[in-house]
Amino acid sequence: DQQVKQNSPSLSVQEGRISILNCDYTNSMFDYFLWYKKYPAEGPTFLISISSIKDKNEDGRFTVFLNKSAKHLSLHIVPSQPGDSAVYFCAASAFDNQGGKLIFGQGTELSVKP
Amino acid sequence: DAGVTQSPTHLIKTRGQQVTLRCSPKSGHDTVSWYQQALGQGPQFIFQYYEEEERQRGNFPDRFSGHQFPNYSSELNVNALLLGDSALYLCASNFAGQQFFGPGTRLTVL
Repeated sequence: DQQVKQNSPSLSVQEGRISILNCDYTNSMFDYFLWYKKYPAEGPTFLISISSIKDKNEDGRFTVFLNKSAKHLSLHIVPSQPGDSAVYFCAASAFDNQGGKLIFGQGTELSVKP
Repeated sequence: DAGVTQSPTHLIKTRGQQVTLRCSPKSGHDTVSWYQQALGQGPQFIFQYYEEEERQRGNFPDRFSGHQFPNYSSELNVNALLLGDSALYLCASNFAGQQFFGPGTRLTVL
């Protein structure tokens, strides 16, 4: 039972263009969503988060959009840079349990080409 | 300030053996979570420790057990290893609602 899904295993984007990574979830009790970035041989690094009371959160080049009715969130990276090449995971938690159990998607490998 | 550290980096075991993985959280972080990441998958929550007690547990069998010490460091123990236990094991320490991950221990079961 995959409660958080990232249906695109990989994405390739040209440097300077927009990268859009998508994530779907099934559990209506999720109320906090996060994106993590992971380089090889390193642990996941927190990127950006959004609470279910918002539909958008922006931090520099990174923006996360949340569509609760569609149970869908997306991460936009503008402009994309070669250093953004990594695996991106979306994650969700329930009951405002921000420090507790996270449910992760399978990840999307982003490749930004110069 | 050192981040989350894990040891060992890599480990090879055979089926049926037991393994202990170690984690030191970031300074001042009192909560530790463990995750299993199989190849091509996202991390899966195993359990979380706070004040030396298991506070939350994911859908993992009793072969997976843990411990937290008074200095907040933690161990993950896996008994009767199966081939399917081969994975990257990640430790995360929590502070102010955010989880900071270590680099992981790569366990291979032959």
